[in-house]
This record gives sequence, C-alpha cells and structure tokens, in this order.
Amino acid sequence: EIRMTQSPSPLSASVGDRVTITCRASQNIGKYLSWYQHKPGKAPKVLIYGASNLVRGVPSRFSGSGSGTDFTLTISRLQTDDFASYYCQETYSLSPRFGGGTKVDIK
Amino acid sequence: QVHLVESGGGVVQPGRSLRLSCVASGFTFGVCGMHWVRESPGKGLEWIAVISFDGRTKKHADSVEGRFTVSRDNSKNTLYLQMNSLRPEDTAVYYCAREEVVASADGTMYYDFWGQGTLVTVSS
Repeated sequence: EIRMTQSPSPLSASVGDRVTITCRASQNIGKYLSWYQHKPGKAPKVLIYGASNLVRGVPSRFSGSGSGTDFTLTISRLQTDDFASYYCQETYSLSPRFGGGTKVDIK
Repeated sequence: QVHLVESGGGVVQPGRSLRLSCVASGFTFGVCGMHWVRESPGKGLEWIAVISFDGRTKKHADSVEGRFTVSRDNSKNTLYLQMNSLRPEDTAVYYCAREEVVASADGTMYYDFWGQGTLVTVSS
C-alpha cells in the first residue's frame, strides 16, 4: 500500500505570504496526484490533478509540481479565503490514499 | 447541474449497522465511478471505497474491509455504503464523490463533485 506524508502541519502564515506544502509518496506514483482544499462544514474542493494541472475555475495563485515521490502545492500570495486544510491524494493505486493534511492558519 | 445528496447517517451503538445512500442527479450516473470518503474528527480525509460504473469492480480500505460494502443501483441513480459491525473509530462525516478520469493526463482521476456529507456517530 502507498503511504502519503504531508508537511508541515500545521502551517501558520499571513495574507500575502508564499506558502509551500509538501507531499511525499512511499513509492513512485508518476504524476498521479491530486490536491484538495477543505474547509469546515464544506465538501472538499479539487485544486490540482495530475500533479500540476490546475482545475478550471481555481485561481492561478495555486500551482502544483513534482513527479515520482515528491510533490508540492504552492500558493503564491495567500488570500483570506485560502485559510483551510489541504490534502494530497495519490491516484496511482486502486486504493487512492490521502495524505494527513496540512492546516493553513493565520499567524 | 450535478448534485450528490447523502443520507442515512445518525447515532448508532457499537456493533450495529447502518446503510448510507447517495442520490445523484444532473449527470449520467451509470457511466461514472463513485467513491466514499470520510473525515474523522482530528484525523483528516480517509478514502473508504470505490465502485466502478457498472458495479462489477469494488475495493475497500483495509480499515473497513469485511465490515463495509459499497454498492450501487444505476436504475435509481443511487450509491450505497452498507456499514456493519460499527466501531467508535468509524465516527466521521461520510462523503460520496464522483470520479472524473482525465484521458489526456494518462488516465489520472480526481473527484470533481462531492456530496455535502452525512454524519455517523458510533457511541454507546
């Protein structure tokens, strides 16, 4: 089974900061990785698929990179609406596991 | 407009059973793979189960294997999760999610639509 490890958690940041979240897979998953944003009381929202493809309608300040085992989600200039939890998910296996999540809160 | 509406959650004693439903509308349900994902207090998102568009292929997470069963009725546009032998650690908000497969990206997938979630609390 593939294990997904995210860091850091939590992450304290200010509006306007550049934020980077890391996700590491326990084995090579190519580019089979998605990123989600999750706010309390709401359904998760997909941001990135295929490691680096921005979903239509998602602000361009979000970007994803990486392949193999190491991936990053970057928010170029953090906005108020971005304070939330972020999860990576491998979609390489038939059991698509999530990382443990990174909560981005206000510094 | 795509809608996924879960129901069936509630408070249940350990060892008892519960069946969750997810009614889909606004798209052709019978051509989409569907998943169940849960969020436990303080534990983040956990993938629980997947079922193929025709119901022939199913897979469950190790944590629920042998206790939970995913199924679907395409004639009713409904996804199910039968949960038996419930444990306190199964307490969570349960979401159904639609799978979108991107052929142009080597067949990678993501969840493009989610339900609003239904809360299951397992407690004596």
